[in-house]
Amino acid sequence: GAVVSQHPSWVICKSGTSVKIECRSLDFQATTMFWYRQFPKQSLMLMATSNEGSKATYEQGVEKDKFLINHASLTLSTLTVTSAHPEDSSFYICSARDFAGLTDTQYFGPGTRLTVL
Amino acid sequence: GENVEQHPSTLSVQEGDSAVIKCTYSDSASNYFPWYKQELGKRPQLIIDIRSNVGEKKDQRIAVTLNKTAKHFSLHITETQPEDSAVYFCAASERNTPLVFGKGTRLSVIA
Repeated sequence: GAVVSQHPSWVICKSGTSVKIECRSLDFQATTMFWYRQFPKQSLMLMATSNEGSKATYEQGVEKDKFLINHASLTLSTLTVTSAHPEDSSFYICSARDFAGLTDTQYFGPGTRLTVL
Repeated sequence: GENVEQHPSTLSVQEGDSAVIKCTYSDSASNYFPWYKQELGKRPQLIIDIRSNVGEKKDQRIAVTLNKTAKHFSLHITETQPEDSAVYFCAASERNTPLVFGKGTRLSVIA
């Protein structure tokens, strides 16, 4: 299957700092990438849809000024958590959809565990 | 928008027995239904998916059935093994729209 990488795999930061997470599709072009957040023992909650060359679409309740998304190329989307606070601590996972051919399978990155002290 | 319900939330089976996880969805326009397996601290891995033009799909010990009229789909795992223990998520979407996930089922296979 297609490969999606994510960096960093984990990060610990102080409250008030900003953290950038990168998501890359390694062997296919992804015009659309998705960002999810997963709290312990819970499901994946969609935060936003990242579209290459245009503004991201945020889900209700997700602050776009706090979670900045940039999708500058067909293989890279970044999520920046600005002024992070302890309640932002979570597992952030990106995914990319391969629309090639007849399949639109969604592949997930390995996730980034963010801990805000 | 789409809403996906998943049951049960936890499931324990003896090794060798079958496990069944059920999901219902609300949007009749949804036409893609994948199942993901997630082990602790790892990414969700696609294990099987089904599209609305078929009613059943099988891959070795794993099968998925879809009833579009009733808007529900199920995952069947036969001859369960301890390595099947994980959290399983169902999801639904239309083409070009984000997946909406169920809340997950924690499967424990007891040796």
